[in-house]
Amino acid sequence: SQELEQSPQSLIVQEGKNLTINCTSSKTLYGLYWYKQKYGEGLIFLMMLQKGGEEKSHEKITAKLDEKKQQSSLHITASQPSHAGIYLCGADSQGAQKLVFGQGTRLTINP
Amino acid sequence: DAGVIQSPRHEVTEMGQEVTLRCKPISGHNSLFWYRQTMMRGLELLIYFNNNVPIDDSGMPEDRFSAKMPNASFSTLKIQPSEPRDSAVYFCASAILTGSYEQYFGPGTRLTVT
Repeated sequence: SQELEQSPQSLIVQEGKNLTINCTSSKTLYGLYWYKQKYGEGLIFLMMLQKGGEEKSHEKITAKLDEKKQQSSLHITASQPSHAGIYLCGADSQGAQKLVFGQGTRLTINP
Repeated sequence: DAGVIQSPRHEVTEMGQEVTLRCKPISGHNSLFWYRQTMMRGLELLIYFNNNVPIDDSGMPEDRFSAKMPNASFSTLKIQPSEPRDSAVYFCASAILTGSYEQYFGPGTRLTVT
């Protein structure tokens, strides 16, 4: 079965700094999804990547899927308190609807 | 749109009791997913439905768990009898079957079994 490993598990950064979260898959990815979760709330969809080398951006968040389609990175530029939360990557390795998720990266932004 | 609606938001029950969690998907969505989130195991898919039909229930932990989707606008996840190890946050998500499979999550039900 596919496994996703996220790094780091937790991250504390100063407001205004850039940061990167990585997601590595044990198998080739057909689709890679990034979600954000705030404590006590559900997951909010951020972006989906399908093609090797693909890169997408939403406001100050950029996600990339490497050429071999086994790793993705999420980059936040000029972080803000609103970026704080848990970031999860999810994957459907079989090209189906079943998603497996990484364990999450807890991001804290210090003012 | 109201988004995915789950009820109750919090449930505290005693071991051995029956627990029913409810979900109303986004109107027009024809796929529905039930997940469980714990600190130890993270977010796990329990079961999902397409057009009200269960497609994969391999994530359901044991026979104490059952899920139904009697119509396109309602689903239940039932645990009978409940055990302390069932304590977790249970999420429901819905999606449109075709396309990017983007799933929209509800706010979750926090279940505590004492």
